[in-house]
Amino acid sequence: DAGITQSPRYKITETGRQVTLMCHQTWSHSYMFWYRQDLGHGLRLIYYSAAADITDKGEVPDGYVVSRSKTENFPLTLESATRSQTSVYFCASRPHGTRPSTDTQYFGPGTRLTVL
Amino acid sequence: AQTVTQSQPEMSVQEAETVTLSCTYDTSENNYYLFWYKQPPSRQMILVIRQEAYKQQNATENRFSVNFQKAAKSFSLKISDSQLGDTAMYFCAFTDNSGGSNYKLTFGKGTLLTVNP
Repeated sequence: DAGITQSPRYKITETGRQVTLMCHQTWSHSYMFWYRQDLGHGLRLIYYSAAADITDKGEVPDGYVVSRSKTENFPLTLESATRSQTSVYFCASRPHGTRPSTDTQYFGPGTRLTVL
Repeated sequence: AQTVTQSQPEMSVQEAETVTLSCTYDTSENNYYLFWYKQPPSRQMILVIRQEAYKQQNATENRFSVNFQKAAKSFSLKISDSQLGDTAMYFCAFTDNSGGSNYKLTFGKGTLLTVNP
């Protein structure tokens, strides 16, 4: 039983380095999302994708880049990491549609990123 | 833009008692979904309950139920017979139920619930 996975689960990096967080789902869901979770802010949307090769900015996209060449993968790259990007990052996916069976986002286990 | 407000940063309850977590939201949309997610110390986001805005009947899932007041834009979560395993951060979330919104979730800041033995 696969589902949605994220790697790495923990990452420590230094300011200025490039970091890529991976997200993989096995359901062939159309939609994928990246959120960051910070104390006092809840979860905020960074980027999302409606399908392969279709991506768009969310609420807090600055400093991040995404790509989606395959439906099942949605990597998030921090091109030059900053301390303010220290956070817990969640990937999520959901199918297209508005039926009750398709209305839920499913979350990965999260990646805790620390930028020193 | 939609906003979701959880006015209770922290709450506590005794085991076996009932507790209600508050959530209000703001939207101009008429067709939407509301959710409560639970995040235990493991950090995993777990869906607790969902409510479709066009349904007047409040959703229930075992010990969890909601009080959905559409006109007041209120969506509270009631946990009955609280258990130690209910200790977690609880997030209220909103999504516009149209393809044009791309199903993005807007979250509240969360309520940390502690169940005491």
